[in-house]
Amino acid sequence: DVKVTQSSRYLVKRTGEKVFLECVQDMDHENMFWYRQDPGLGLRLIYFSYDVKMKEKGDIPEGYSVSREKKERFSLILESASTNQTSMYLCASISGGGPSYEQYFGPGTRLTVT
Amino acid sequence: RKEVEQDPGPFNVPEGATVAFNCTYSNSASQSFFWYRQDCRKEPKLLMSVYSSGNEDGRFTAQLNRASQYISLLIRDSKLSDSATYLCVVHLKAAGNKLTFGGGTRVLVKP
Repeated sequence: DVKVTQSSRYLVKRTGEKVFLECVQDMDHENMFWYRQDPGLGLRLIYFSYDVKMKEKGDIPEGYSVSREKKERFSLILESASTNQTSMYLCASISGGGPSYEQYFGPGTRLTVT
Repeated sequence: RKEVEQDPGPFNVPEGATVAFNCTYSNSASQSFFWYRQDCRKEPKLLMSVYSSGNEDGRFTAQLNRASQYISLLIRDSKLSDSATYLCVVHLKAAGNKLTFGGGTRVLVKP
């Protein structure tokens, strides 16, 4: 059974704190993604990675950075958290070149920045 | 204009009824289309891919209209368990493995 796990389900941080969100997949997938999901805005792509140490900006990368040191792990970093980064964060992975392009999602991290 | 647009709903559906809703996409070069289902407070999961000729999976039928740039999902004989948000997803090959998600259509099936 495929599995994508995220380090926390719920997180509360203060404005200005550095925040790490971790994602691990056990499917040996090349591609990993970080999204945020907000009411009325749907899922928006923050960053993605198609290989170890490779990263690409998504649609809303400002205020975020990522790290992919190992194939199975993709970390999202908020250098200095702000209240407008309060959101649900979803990690996903996909095998490169798969015909169905099925993305497997983690359970999500609900981050609140106060 | 958003790349992928959906009516947010909610669509209130009596149990056993049929419901259908559409999703429009703006990039005519889009090549692959999917419907994902997201239950409340859960992650999205693939419901079905959408093929050019239209396809069916049990009570669910998906269709693609390239000329008008929309896809549709029809649910027959709605069950209470069909209550969820349905996300329209579009893949543009030129964008690599990125998928673009619509905002979702919420469906509530009531007894």
